[in-house]
Amino acid sequence: DTGVSQDPRHKITKRGQNVTFRCDPISEHNRLYWYRQTLGQGPEFLTYFQNEAQLEKSRLLSDRFSAERPKGSFSTLEIQRTEQGDSAMYLCASTLDSYGYTFGSGTRLTVV
Amino acid sequence: SQQGEEDPQALSIQEGENATMNCSYKTSINNLQWYRQNSGRGLVHLILIRSNEREKHSGRLRVTLDTSKKSSSLLITASRAADTASYFCATDERSSGGYNKLIFGAGTRLAVHP
Repeated sequence: DTGVSQDPRHKITKRGQNVTFRCDPISEHNRLYWYRQTLGQGPEFLTYFQNEAQLEKSRLLSDRFSAERPKGSFSTLEIQRTEQGDSAMYLCASTLDSYGYTFGSGTRLTVV
Repeated sequence: SQQGEEDPQALSIQEGENATMNCSYKTSINNLQWYRQNSGRGLVHLILIRSNEREKHSGRLRVTLDTSKKSSSLLITASRAADTASYFCATDERSSGGYNKLIFGAGTRLAVHP
């Protein structure tokens, strides 16, 4: 493994469209996290998976957001009916033991 | 929600000078970690200090932790232009569900001028 991969790197979408992002964590890492980062701010926690189980969702995640991690491997984050306020960098991180979190390069979403 | 404050928000120095960034947090922690982020990129883990440690070194980095004051500092010595980036502290907290997650501060934007 070369690290955590996120796809796409950039996404421009029209308001109201649905978008889906993918994260491939380091293969032996059983814990996977999604964060959102807006310009000039630190990353904010969105959701956490241990294997395939989604154990926590932040109140930042409205009903328009859904995340999955089928089979405990890759994860997807879907945003339905995008709004301009959803424009941000979406970061994925994985870890095995919480002492070393590895972040992907992120997906930058722009809603126009 | 974010854990706490970082100070300063922005720091501009000359190459060769030292850069000190401070971080305060609010709750009990297992450890505190510092990350670096180049513009528009992902975060890179720099150093971790456990809650029972007071100081840690890694190359040109020195981190201190004062759990009584709920604060930490990151010192970069002999800075280089390549150190220009945003630096974030993150506290590793254990949730009521028994798992850990990182909570980040707002970051310090460091600019090192040649």
